[in-house]
Amino acid sequence: AAGVIQSPRHLIKEKRETATLKCYPIPRHDTVYWYQQGPGQDPQFLISFYEKMQSDKGSIPDRFSAQQFSDYHSELNMSSLELGDSALYFCASSRGDGGPTQETQYFGPGTRLLVL
Amino acid sequence: AQTVTQSQPEMSVQEAETVTLSCTYDTSESDYYLFWYKQPPSRQMILVIRQEAYKQQNATENRFSVNFQKAAKSFSLKISDSQLGDAAMYFCAYRGKLKPGTGKLIFGQGTTLQVKP
Repeated sequence: AAGVIQSPRHLIKEKRETATLKCYPIPRHDTVYWYQQGPGQDPQFLISFYEKMQSDKGSIPDRFSAQQFSDYHSELNMSSLELGDSALYFCASSRGDGGPTQETQYFGPGTRLLVL
Repeated sequence: AQTVTQSQPEMSVQEAETVTLSCTYDTSESDYYLFWYKQPPSRQMILVIRQEAYKQQNATENRFSVNFQKAAKSFSLKISDSQLGDAAMYFCAYRGKLKPGTGKLIFGQGTTLQVKP
């Protein structure tokens, strides 16, 4: 079965640079969630989209922005990168149609971002 | 605000034995979902099992089962016949039953499971 795709898988940036992370949800999934997982920590919710509209916002820095496109893929844009932004960034997708699997989020493999 | 607590940072089990990972949560909602995710060294987040709060019956997926105690707000994971491939970090997660797109997962701190051959 198709899974969530994230690109790139690894990314190395310098401080103050910009990074763009991409997420391609499972086909027919209309909801995307972004999470940040620091070393030795649990994932923290950043932002989510449903039907191409921002639906919820968590602890996402103002330096970050995100959107969901017409084909339901999503991009997380990160500017003025700081050392503390080094983390694993997950995208998860789900269906919002009220079906039996609506509430289950399926995670992509993550993007490992290292800021030097 | 909802919280999820995993009080066991590390657990170990002998191969083929059974182990139980604990999770408690706090919420004022009456309907919600609970999950266990597995994160192996590759750091991929893999869904292990899900439980809907309104269902009395405990969920089961092959060797994995849960003990859901709604009144006690407890949601433990039992792994039977442990295998070396079960070694991983296990996260308990809560999701409210909200409108689409607003159901962020709230994770516990995680429990690292070691399986000894």
